[in-house]
Amino acid sequence: KAGVTQTPRYLIKTRGQQVTLSCSPISGHRSVSWYQQTPGQGLQFLFEYFSETQRNKGNFPGRFSGRQFSNSRSEMNVSTLELGDSALYLCASSTDPNSPLHFGNGTRLTVT
Amino acid sequence: GEDVEQSLFLSVREGDSSVINCTYTDSSSTYLYWYKQEPGAGLQLLTYIFSNMDMKQDQRLTVLLNKKDKHLSLRIADTQTGDSAIYFCAETENTGTASKLTFGTGTRLQVTL
Repeated sequence: KAGVTQTPRYLIKTRGQQVTLSCSPISGHRSVSWYQQTPGQGLQFLFEYFSETQRNKGNFPGRFSGRQFSNSRSEMNVSTLELGDSALYLCASSTDPNSPLHFGNGTRLTVT
Repeated sequence: GEDVEQSLFLSVREGDSSVINCTYTDSSSTYLYWYKQEPGAGLQLLTYIFSNMDMKQDQRLTVLLNKKDKHLSLRIADTQTGDSAIYFCAETENTGTASKLTFGTGTRLQVTL
């Protein structure tokens, strides 16, 4: 069974631009979560989706948004990029919100 | 808020056992997890333990949970060079969902020959 797939793997953007990251969960998994990993703040929860509904949201500004589609695939969007948004963005999926999370390899975003 | 603490670095010789420790704060956590991260990669789920268990063994991995002290440990038997990585423990927040994890800072395990 294929794991969690995130695209693209690497992304370079300029301050002020926006970016969309994509995540395909493991087949049969309906819950998708997003995390941001930086050297300074470590791993921080962004949001969680289940059955196309956002169930939880972390403490991030409104520039960070996401959605989940009917096939459980998810996207996250960051608008008006700032230098501090440079990070590894990790997507994780689980069969349901009470099951263990399986992570993808992440998208490394660099904002210049 | 929740806070998960880990030591930053551990060095062991190949063939020895490694013990990585973690303390957590949310006594209502349902699950506690151990993840492994190799350079340039995402997080690999190693193992997890339910909060009503004291121990779980899975091949070379042994997880011990002391709920009274809110202490979690991961023991890796016969440590190999391929075990060199950063290890994160994580607890679930009591939000009614197990998907929201709070991670520790990670312990970098270095395996020497």
